[in-house]
Amino acid sequence: NSKVIQTPRYLVKGQGQKAKMRCIPEKGHPVVFWYQQNKNNEFKFLINFQNQEVLQQIDMTEKRFSAECPSNSPCSLEIQSSEAGDSALYLCASTPTPSQNTLYFGAGTRLSVL
Amino acid sequence: QQKVQQSPESLIVPEGGMASLNCTFSDRNSQYFWWYRQHSGEGPKALMSIFSNGDKKEGRFTAHLNKASLHVSLHIKDSQPSDSALYFCAVSPFGSSGNKLIFGIGTLLSVKP
Repeated sequence: NSKVIQTPRYLVKGQGQKAKMRCIPEKGHPVVFWYQQNKNNEFKFLINFQNQEVLQQIDMTEKRFSAECPSNSPCSLEIQSSEAGDSALYLCASTPTPSQNTLYFGAGTRLSVL
Repeated sequence: QQKVQQSPESLIVPEGGMASLNCTFSDRNSQYFWWYRQHSGEGPKALMSIFSNGDKKEGRFTAHLNKASLHVSLHIKDSQPSDSALYFCAVSPFGSSGNKLIFGIGTLLSVKP
């Protein structure tokens, strides 16, 4: 069973609504990733953190996407104004170091934008 | 931009049979490679990594890497119904900081009892 905990498992929003999902990384893993997996199983890297600092991020989709990993709180990914094209499985993963290490994924949050 | 392609898109093998999955990548300088497996309703789980040319065996799973041919493969011996899942090849681009991986779009394996 995954030790990366993502909540909620399912999220249904209307277009224009805010969508927020959370991730608790595996204990002892300071590096956290967010990926988007679409219905065609394509993975899109969104952002990664080491502790609270952003390591890399894409141009966050016209600034509608934001993410943070505050100290002593779950990491979060938020979509300010959801669009139908945002419907996907959002996967959080953690790893012990930013160098070449296996990623440990959570079960994901499946977002449906109606 | 690194491209990772997988074949076949889907594969049906009988229980006890051998499943062979293929992956090609475009950047000759890629250094690190993983195979992930994703069962329905779950997140991907790493099966194995391979960093050097040649074969790497872990139980029923054998990965093969040939950087010159830009090819990595996964072979599953004595396939079981529980092996039925989506299999992804993932490549770490050269010079990538923060361990960002590029994934293929997967091979759907079905193992029939």
